[in-house]
Amino acid sequence: QLQLQESGSGLVKPSQTLSLTCAVSGGSISSGGYSWGWIRQPPGKGLEWLGYMYHDGNTYYNSSLKSRVTISVDRSKNHFSLKLSSVTAADTAVYYCACGSNWYEYFQHWGQGTLVTVSS
Amino acid sequence: EIVLTQSPATLSLSPGEGATLSCRASQSISSYLAWYQQKPGQAPRLLVYDASNRATGIPARFSGSGSGTDFTLTISSLEPEDFAVYYCQQRFNWPPLTFGGGTKVEFK
Repeated sequence: QLQLQESGSGLVKPSQTLSLTCAVSGGSISSGGYSWGWIRQPPGKGLEWLGYMYHDGNTYYNSSLKSRVTISVDRSKNHFSLKLSSVTAADTAVYYCACGSNWYEYFQHWGQGTLVTVSS
Repeated sequence: EIVLTQSPATLSLSPGEGATLSCRASQSISSYLAWYQQKPGQAPRLLVYDASNRATGIPARFSGSGSGTDFTLTISSLEPEDFAVYYCQQRFNWPPLTFGGGTKVEFK
């Protein structure tokens, strides 16, 4: 059973860059069977998709984030990462990493989520 | 961007009753819709994908239907663990992948 676990700073100052990592266990990112994504949820609100990376490395982002978001993968460490630059208080949310079978852009497996607060 | 509108916002029901949740898309999305369940403090869980296919391990009391712009998630008989928030998500026309605003199923 694939398991995902987010890690990273829980407190980020305004204008700085939020960085999170999603460690994958129970399977290999390099196996090619899955694609990977990030979703966030502001406190008490709904889900917002941030970005998605296919197994071949092609990556797509939510344009509402105005090019602030980057997803990358480190196959040697079996993890993938999220960077969100120039953060403001509006970026305060629980951030989830998730994955799903290739060519089905749904999310079968989720991390537990990590709360990131943007505050000085 | 495809907008998904879920209704009602809140559904007040008792265990054993049936639940019908609606998700309407701003344009046709064929059958490319999923449903998720989220309990407080937990990550969402995939219930149904491509409108009517139950995900692995999901009980048969959950069923999805619909195509085009109108979709329904039906819970045939509510168990205590089914009281949660439910989201729909489309993958027909993206980016962006979009989610509905959610329907909360609460105890009556």
